[in-house]
Amino acid sequence: NAGVMQNPRHLVRRRGQEARLRCSPMKGHSHVYWYRQLPEEGLKFMVYLQKENIIDESGMPKERFSAEFPKEGPSILRIQQVVRGDSAAYFCASSPDRVTGELFFGEGSRLTVL
Amino acid sequence: QQQVKQSPQSLIVQKGGIPIINCAYENTAFDYFPWYQQFPGKGPALLIAIRPDVSEKKEGRFTISFNKSAKQFSLHIMDSQPGDSATYFCAASPRWRSNTGKLIFGQGTTLQVKP
Repeated sequence: NAGVMQNPRHLVRRRGQEARLRCSPMKGHSHVYWYRQLPEEGLKFMVYLQKENIIDESGMPKERFSAEFPKEGPSILRIQQVVRGDSAAYFCASSPDRVTGELFFGEGSRLTVL
Repeated sequence: QQQVKQSPQSLIVQKGGIPIINCAYENTAFDYFPWYQQFPGKGPALLIAIRPDVSEKKEGRFTISFNKSAKQFSLHIMDSQPGDSATYFCAASPRWRSNTGKLIFGQGTTLQVKP
């Protein structure tokens, strides 16, 4: 059973470009969470999605960031018009259910904005 | 109220020592408290978790102590080994009382176990 798969593992963008980060949850998991980790800091919650629905986006910046988890395919975290402050590691986690399931994390996508 | 405060920021112990990492929270709606271990370049992995209806849980060399009245919980690593050198995160979640299973993480503790 493959774990949570994130790609790309490393992404370099210039200021003003778009970044798209993809996350394929573990098989049978329909709950996906995105977290951001800045250097030397903890993980900050961004958004929680179920298939085709955003359940909790209380941690998402109001502008330039969006997330989706379509019926088919991976979850996508999209960052438009990136700025240097967006440089971070972005982690995706999946869970089989909201209440009792463990969150399994992927290895992260490391975004560098030049 | 959504914060989880973790200390110390870093910790160095000798092999065989018992590092202790502490966390505190304010939100009484939190009802699930996991600890995650993260190695450089990797994603966090669940170590052990506790619900507030128990005061202690042990899994192998890892023990969580939970003090509900003080709103504090801690991780103890018995007989620590160099392979335990990693960053440890405590977290909390209001899983049973809200529509989100999100985890709120502490700031992390970087542990180094010297041979």
